[in-house]
Amino acid sequence: DTGVSQDPRHKITKRGQNVTFRCDPISEHNRLYWYRQTLGQGPEFLTYFQNEAQLEKSRLLSDRFSAERPKGSFSTLEIQRTEQGDSAMYLCASSLVDGYTFGSGTRLTVV
Amino acid sequence: GIQVEQSPPDLILQEGANSTLRCNFSDSVNNLQWFHQNPWGQLINLFYIPSGTKQNGRLSATTVATERYSLLYISSSQTTDSGVYFCAVDDYKLSFGAGTTVTVRA
Repeated sequence: DTGVSQDPRHKITKRGQNVTFRCDPISEHNRLYWYRQTLGQGPEFLTYFQNEAQLEKSRLLSDRFSAERPKGSFSTLEIQRTEQGDSAMYLCASSLVDGYTFGSGTRLTVV
Repeated sequence: GIQVEQSPPDLILQEGANSTLRCNFSDSVNNLQWFHQNPWGQLINLFYIPSGTKQNGRLSATTVATERYSLLYISSSQTTDSGVYFCAVDDYKLSFGAGTTVTVRA
């Protein structure tokens, strides 16, 4: 197992376009999390799944954001009608019992 | 939600120096982790430490859960220790502090 994988590493998109990010967690981890990090700040929680069930969504997650985790494996995070304020690093993490492991993140730039 | 405060916000060290980073949190937590974020943005797990003391090479951490704080010690700092150090507390999801930016100068 190579850890948590995220794709793509970088994404530049025009304002108003839709983007989708993918996260592949560590295979035996049943919990998967999405975080967003802007420059100079700590990561902020967006949402998390236990297996395929989405158990919590932050109020940071507007209705333009949607996340899925079909079959409790990989997860996707989609942002519709992107805005410049969506520019950030999007981090995925997975966990089982002890501790969280983060992926390398997807850096989104909205121009 | 749980509030996490880290201090100092910035730390400049001469290579070889020792330092202590502090993390205060506002409520009881199940777990606490320290991370190092490298220049490419990867969060590297340093310690999973809900209580007690752990050591890993030149790094060690102590969490006093009853007093709601944790300390990260860096001894004999090296330039490769530069980066942002985050404390995060787990109440079924991680809540992060704002981080301490460490710069180690040769």
